[in-house]
Order: sequence, then C-alpha cells, then structure tokens
Amino acid sequence: DAKTTQPPSMDCAEGRAANLPCNHSTISGNEYVYWYRQIHSQGPQYIIHGLKNNETNEMASLIITEDRKSSTLILPHATLRDTAVYYCIVRSSGAGSYQLTFGKGTKLSVIP
Amino acid sequence: DSGVTQTPKHLITATGQRVTLRCSPRSGDLSVYWYQQSLDQGLQFLIQYYNGEERAKGNILERFSAQQFPDLHSELNLSSLELGDSALYFCASSLTGTSGRVTETQYFGPGTRLLVL
Repeated sequence: DAKTTQPPSMDCAEGRAANLPCNHSTISGNEYVYWYRQIHSQGPQYIIHGLKNNETNEMASLIITEDRKSSTLILPHATLRDTAVYYCIVRSSGAGSYQLTFGKGTKLSVIP
Repeated sequence: DSGVTQTPKHLITATGQRVTLRCSPRSGDLSVYWYQQSLDQGLQFLIQYYNGEERAKGNILERFSAQQFPDLHSELNLSSLELGDSALYFCASSLTGTSGRVTETQYFGPGTRLLVL
C-alpha cells in the first residue's frame, strides 16, 4: 500500500471549514483513499473514501487531485466534537490487503 | 454506535497471565479484524478472520492467538503477558473482507483497554 504523509496537528475555529491535507504521491491506479478518525481512544470511525472523483457524504467531502497524488478532507462546519485524530489511508485492491494500515494521522483541535 | 461490541471494556492483570478478549461483529458481517494500539506503535493490524478461517496476519506475536466461532464472534487470546502488551485492543468487522472488495468499510468496536502490571 502507498504511504501517506499528513501534518501532525492542525487547529480550526469552531464553525469554520476544516481542511485536512494528505500526500500520497506513490499511489497506484487501483488504490483507494480512505479517511478515518479517532476521538479520544474510541474506536476509529469511518468518514469517507474515494478513488479519483470527489466524494461527499453527510460527514465530509473528499477532494482528490487530478494526478491523485494528494487529497483533502473537508469538514464544512467544524464543531468541538470534531476534535480527533484524522487518519488518511491508502488501500490496495490486491490480495492480502484487507487490513487498514494506520499512520500517525493529524490531530485536529477545534477551538471555540 | 458501530454495531460491533467488545468485552470487557477494561482488563487489569499481571505479567505472565493469560486473558481472552471477545468481539461480536455487526449483524451480517463475516470478517473480523483485530488491531492493537499502543502509545509507541500506534494502531497496528494483528489478524483477520473470515467466516471462521484465518485470512490475513499482521504483526501478531506468537504468544497471541485468535479464533472465530460458528456464530461469527471472535476471541483474541493473549498469553504470557508482558508489560509491553498494555494497550487498547480494537476489533473491527466488515461484510466480507475478501479480495476485490477493497471498498468495504471496516467498522470498529469501542475497544478493550488492557493494563498489565
């Protein structure tokens, strides 16, 4: 699976959009970009995933660059409950790649 | 609530002991995954079971073993415990977890916090 690079921490004002970047410059054509978050030692929570098109769901939007070498997770109106560690994960569709490989993620702090 | 349940929530034991962690997957999910989260290693994949059979192995120690039962619940057995085994242990489940289904979402349980003294 391709490796990802994320900033270790970010701050965001409550009510503002939080934009979390992820670099995955070695991503290959069959690899998906996944985002999970972990709120204070709770189980990781799935947010969104995508292959090459931008995706949106009730939680967030995922913007993937045309060359697929980077992506941005957007939380449109951050709340205090969005304070968490956000993990960007690249997953291959090949055999033996069922597990999720977590990096260090980005610790997002939403500030009142 | 992800639908994945784990028991117990907390476990305190002594070095050298053996413990069993239990996981019940979401209704209908056939695959169960175990992950360990320690302060120094982060979240690491241990092992996956699919419909009762071992499917993939990660950084699982020989002192650790797992199984998945016919009712699809899974147990992670940790033996000869050491101080360094203190960690959060998460279980996740997905519908199949088989090749070609990479877009399947894994849903995580609340975890078991193990403290080895």
